[in-house]
Amino acid sequence: EPEVTQTPSHQVTQMGQEVILRCVPISNHLYFYWYRQILGQKVEFLVSFYNNEISEKSEIFDDQFSVERPDGSNFTLKIRSTKLEDSAMYFCASKGFEGSYEQYFGPGTRLTVT
Amino acid sequence: RKEVEQDPGPFNVPEGATVAFNCTYSNSASQSFFWYRQDCRKEPKLLMSVYSSGNEDGRFTAQLNRASQYISLLIRDSKLSDSATYLCVVNMIQAGTALIFGKGTTLSVSS
Repeated sequence: EPEVTQTPSHQVTQMGQEVILRCVPISNHLYFYWYRQILGQKVEFLVSFYNNEISEKSEIFDDQFSVERPDGSNFTLKIRSTKLEDSAMYFCASKGFEGSYEQYFGPGTRLTVT
Repeated sequence: RKEVEQDPGPFNVPEGATVAFNCTYSNSASQSFFWYRQDCRKEPKLLMSVYSSGNEDGRFTAQLNRASQYISLLIRDSKLSDSATYLCVVNMIQAGTALIFGKGTTLSVSS
């Protein structure tokens, strides 16, 4: 069964450092997402990406965040200057086509900012 | 006002019990509805989509009441493996295709 994969599974970084989280969505999917979940809180939408551009973003997704699809398979989330409050699980998700709303999530990257 | 509200639980039930979870959503323009399951420190996994006519998948039954802006999930004959957090999720037209999550209801099934 096709699945979304993410690397690394755990990333520890110092405050102010840049991190790149990587995702490989399901191969024939067209829509890609990043969500985050701070420990003990709900899953929150960050950004969606379609046709090589951002289609929606939340107020959490400020100028320190960026996304990219550098090739035909990877989808990345970059945090330019990490803050302590960026510590969370970051989930990548993908969905197949317009008109479907079912999104499939990767296993997540646990980001710890010290 | 919270967009998606759920009773956080925990619900502690014995094996074989029937348990029901409820969820309310605030935006009447919400378009699509789902139940996801999340195990501790794992990703949300799609359990089922929820349709106006109601739908059933084995021991799981989901219902949607658009007039009351209410979604439910019924689990029959609970198994130990059903222990998890159940997330009520909606898609709102104004938010595009982004999913809006409730905080989840925790279920613990014991032998």
